[in-house]
Amino acid sequence: EVQLVESGGGLVQPGGSLRLSCVVSGFTFSNYWMSWVRQAPGKGLEWVANMNQDGSEKYYVDSVKGRFTISRDNAKNSLYLQMNSLRVEDTAVYYCARDASGWSSKWGQGTLVTVSS
Amino acid sequence: DIQMTQSPSTLSASLGDRVTITCRASQSINTALAWYQQKPGKAPKLLIYTASNLEAGVPSRFSGSGSGTEFTLTISSLQPDDFATYYCQHHRSYPRTFGQGTKVEIK
Repeated sequence: EVQLVESGGGLVQPGGSLRLSCVVSGFTFSNYWMSWVRQAPGKGLEWVANMNQDGSEKYYVDSVKGRFTISRDNAKNSLYLQMNSLRVEDTAVYYCARDASGWSSKWGQGTLVTVSS
Repeated sequence: DIQMTQSPSTLSASLGDRVTITCRASQSINTALAWYQQKPGKAPKLLIYTASNLEAGVPSRFSGSGSGTEFTLTISSLQPDDFATYYCQHHRSYPRTFGQGTKVEIK
């Protein structure tokens, strides 16, 4: 069974940092592009970033460029999102997702990040 | 950036109704479009990819069509499990933007 489990969310002050993790099982992680997608409370979905299998290609939405870094460790079946200089508007549930030729075919349950003083 | 616009934002329908949701792209995306279903407190679920291909395990009452800038998601006969919010997303270029969502409610 394919599983993606996010962790690392929590409450952080504006300007602070958090590192999200996504551990996967049930498929060969190193074969897939992976994405992070977020959803602010009561709002729609926003694509955040994705990366290819070996980390040589990474893409970000403009609002997080220079602040967030997507990475992966194929040996640990893990995807990460390092979030620095957090803003109140970064408050959201963050989902990791397995990509398939551009779309996201499997999703984790999400982890909540709250940026507040 | 390519903007995705869904209509309507909210749709009230009855069990058994045929339901159609529209998604428009601000420029041509060929068939690089996916549809997702999301229920409250849950992760999105892929329904349709490349505009018209049904994801494995998704009921056949769901179908997608369109190309270029205009796309539709159709539920042929609305079932109790279908009351949810639906999102389109393009994957033609970066950033991979979503539509704002269409909430399907019970009439």
